[in-house]
Amino acid sequence: AQSVAQPEDQVNVAEGNPLTVKCTYSVSGNPYPFWYVQYPNRGLQFLLKYITGDNLVKGSYGFEAEFNKSQTSFHLKKPSALVSDSALYFCAVRDTGNTPLVFGKGTRLSVIA
Amino acid sequence: KAGVTQTPRYLIKTRGQQVTLSCSPISGHRSVSWYQQTPGQGLQFLFEYFSETQRNKGNFPGRFSGRQFSNSRSEMNVSTLELGDSALYLCASSLTSGGGETQYFGPGTRLLVL
Repeated sequence: AQSVAQPEDQVNVAEGNPLTVKCTYSVSGNPYPFWYVQYPNRGLQFLLKYITGDNLVKGSYGFEAEFNKSQTSFHLKKPSALVSDSALYFCAVRDTGNTPLVFGKGTRLSVIA
Repeated sequence: KAGVTQTPRYLIKTRGQQVTLSCSPISGHRSVSWYQQTPGQGLQFLFEYFSETQRNKGNFPGRFSGRQFSNSRSEMNVSTLELGDSALYLCASSLTSGGGETQYFGPGTRLLVL
């Protein structure tokens, strides 16, 4: 069965600094990793995903993620953080075949002005 | 295009009652998945429906059930509610099922069991 690990419960970063939110996964087949963001009292919003091709994936709101197959990682990055980026970030992965999307525990990002 | 809608948004029930939650997917989407979100357990997969057929089921007791209609709308039902069922229930829709298909989430139904 697939699994996702987000090793940091909380990440703090100063506004304007680069940010990284870490994610590693475990699948038995080909991985399909995703990032979602959740703002207070809201559902999840899709940020980006990796299917195939360039290992650096660009998504919404200036976020990008680097897919590393050998390290089974899909870290979320942004060159310059904004206070409005403060939210709960979820990494998720689906394995090949008829499998559900499995989520990590989430990482709370706090961007300080 | 309208997003995923869920009704009701908030619900208060007492132990032993049952509840039905509704989800309308994005127009044209044929797959609907349900998740339970709690502070302790995070996001847990409940079940997935595609073209009215259940394709996957998570590790939840039989009190949790769902169905999908021919117009792709979905309902989930929880019978004999327990205090631990208090959670945010999220519905997500996608064009098809599996692989790199993106799921789009609704705002959720917050259920409080007293």
